This record gives sequence, C-alpha cells and structure tokens, in this order.
Amino acid sequence: DTGVSQDPRHKITKRGQNVTFRCDPISEHNRLYWYRQTLGQGPEFLTYFQNEAQLEKSRLLSDRFSAERPKGSFSTLEIQRTEQGDSAMYLCASSPSLQGDTQYFGPGTRLTVL
Amino acid sequence: AQTVTQSQPEMSVQEAETVTLSCTYDTSESDYYLFWYKQPPSRQMILVIRQEAYKQQNATENRFSVNFQKAAKSFSLKISDSQLGDAAMYFCAYLQGAQKLVFGQGTRLTINP
Repeated sequence: DTGVSQDPRHKITKRGQNVTFRCDPISEHNRLYWYRQTLGQGPEFLTYFQNEAQLEKSRLLSDRFSAERPKGSFSTLEIQRTEQGDSAMYLCASSPSLQGDTQYFGPGTRLTVL
Repeated sequence: AQTVTQSQPEMSVQEAETVTLSCTYDTSESDYYLFWYKQPPSRQMILVIRQEAYKQQNATENRFSVNFQKAAKSFSLKISDSQLGDAAMYFCAYLQGAQKLVFGQGTRLTINP
C-alpha cells in the first residue's frame, strides 16, 4: 500500500494562468475526494468521485474549476484563469465506498498565485 | 448543514502529561461517524481515531482516547503521556455515510519538553 500521492507538491503560477493537479488514490479505493485548505483553517470539501462518476460538487467549486477521474483511477483538478484567492493547499483523499470508511489523505499540492 | 466547532485554537501541555482537545458538532442525523485527524507541520493529514455514533463505547488507540457524548454532541480527544511527536494541528471531523468530511477549525497542540 503506497498511500495517496499528489503531484506536484508545490506550484507557483501567475494570475490568469491555468494549472492542473494530479491525485493517485490508494489502488483499491473507489472513492476520491478533493478538499481545499487555507492557512490556519480546516479543509473544505470541493468534490468527490465514486469510480469515474462525479457525485457532488461544492458551491466553492466555481466554473473555473473542473475535476475528472477518467477510468476511475487517478484524478485531475484543473483551475482556469487562476486568481490570488485560489492560493491554498489542495488535498486529495481516497476511501473504500463503504459507509463510514476512513478517508486517507495525500500530502497535498500547495498553490501560490502571484 | 452539519457544522463542527473546535473552541480551542491553541493548547499546550508538558511532555508526559495528559491533554484534552474539545470538539462539538451539530447534526440532526442519528447515524454518522466522527474522526480526529493530526496534521504535523508541513506533513500530511493522518487519522488518529475514529468513532461510530451508534456505538456507545468510546474509541481508544494506544495513548489516544475519545469522550463521545452523543446527546451533548461532544467529541473530545484525550492524549495521555504526551510526546514531542504529538505536536501538530488536530482536526475534528464529521462524516455521514460515505460522503464528505466536515472539519472543525483545528487546534494547534504544542508539547513543552
């Protein structure tokens, strides 16, 4: 079990640029979650997938954000036309699909928008 | 909507002593799950302990235990024999079904040698 991995670990970009993050879940986990964490705060839910289906999106996820999970394996989160307010840690987590299952987190991608 | 509140932004404890972190939550559901996660500085979030709401028995994991009071909607974490490696942000979180976690604001725990 190699755990949840995320790439890149850090991303610095200029305002208006597009960025894409990748998450590889634990291999046998059907559910994959994206959260956003700003400094000194708890993570906030963005979206989650059951296999390749995106089941819920938060109102935090504006139309500049899009997430995919093709083939139900890895997932990507893209932010278009980045803004300074997008600067945060983006966390990915995965879990089996049973009720109450623990979510296991990756190391996160820290985004800085200049 | 469910909410989770951690009223202690910071706590400190002497090494080898016991500390309790507080958490309250608001829900109208009867079946749910509660978690404590630990996030060390610049490191990833890891699970400390998990509690199923339908179980009356408080969960324990080695030096970590919870005091789950369902009627009061309270879920505190007790750390016994505190160690330097326990220093971290601690987040209380609520989960219903297999959906999203709702996190509290976190408590920063400092261990004094």
